[in-house]
Amino acid sequence: EVQLVESGGGLVQPGRSLRLSCAASRFKFDDYAMHWVRQAPGKGLEWVAGISWNGLPLGYADSVKGRFTISRDNAKKSLFLQMSSLRPDDTALYYCAKAEDTFGWTSFDSWGQGTLVSVS
Amino acid sequence: QSALTQPPSASGSPGQSVTISCTGTSSDIGGYNYVSWYQQHPGEAPKLIIYEVIKRPSGVPDRFSGSKSGNTASLTVSGLQAADEADYYCGSYATSNDFIFGGGTKLTVL
Repeated sequence: EVQLVESGGGLVQPGRSLRLSCAASRFKFDDYAMHWVRQAPGKGLEWVAGISWNGLPLGYADSVKGRFTISRDNAKKSLFLQMSSLRPDDTALYYCAKAEDTFGWTSFDSWGQGTLVSVS
Repeated sequence: QSALTQPPSASGSPGQSVTISCTGTSSDIGGYNYVSWYQQHPGEAPKLIIYEVIKRPSGVPDRFSGSKSGNTASLTVSGLQAADEADYYCGSYATSNDFIFGGGTKLTVL
């Protein structure tokens, strides 16, 4: 069974930076696109960013464009999200999610348990 | 891109069927067969239950089914069980490399 474990969340002041990581295992990591999805407390899901199997960014949500950068290290089976100029409305549980297919956009078939980012 | 539109709540009695709608535009739901549905129980991560409009991942009961007509997708849960009580989110690929979710529907089993 696919395993995704996020880390790096925490309490940070507005304007500061934070780097999230996601360790993947039990699947061929470099075959799949990966995404970050967030969920503000008590709110719905919001797609944040995606990256192709070979490291090309697929896209960013307008709300984070220019502030967040997605990257991956296939050798270490890891996904990253570099977040800068953080704002209070970035406060959320950040999930790492695996794309279901090689296209990378059809759906997200495996999710981690999330890492909480609080901006205050 | 605006969020897809879902009813905030839905309900049904055990054994009944309930359908949750998800309305978008021709730039997302209407333009692609890449609608997916996710079930989320309190305190848990979302779980994929429908992808590419009608497909079910391995292990998802056939009580869950998806469909689409024009710019509106639907999730039907048949033979409602207590364990189906959860939040349900639709999602769709959208033009210009974007992915949007619906606002979520809280399903209550009466």
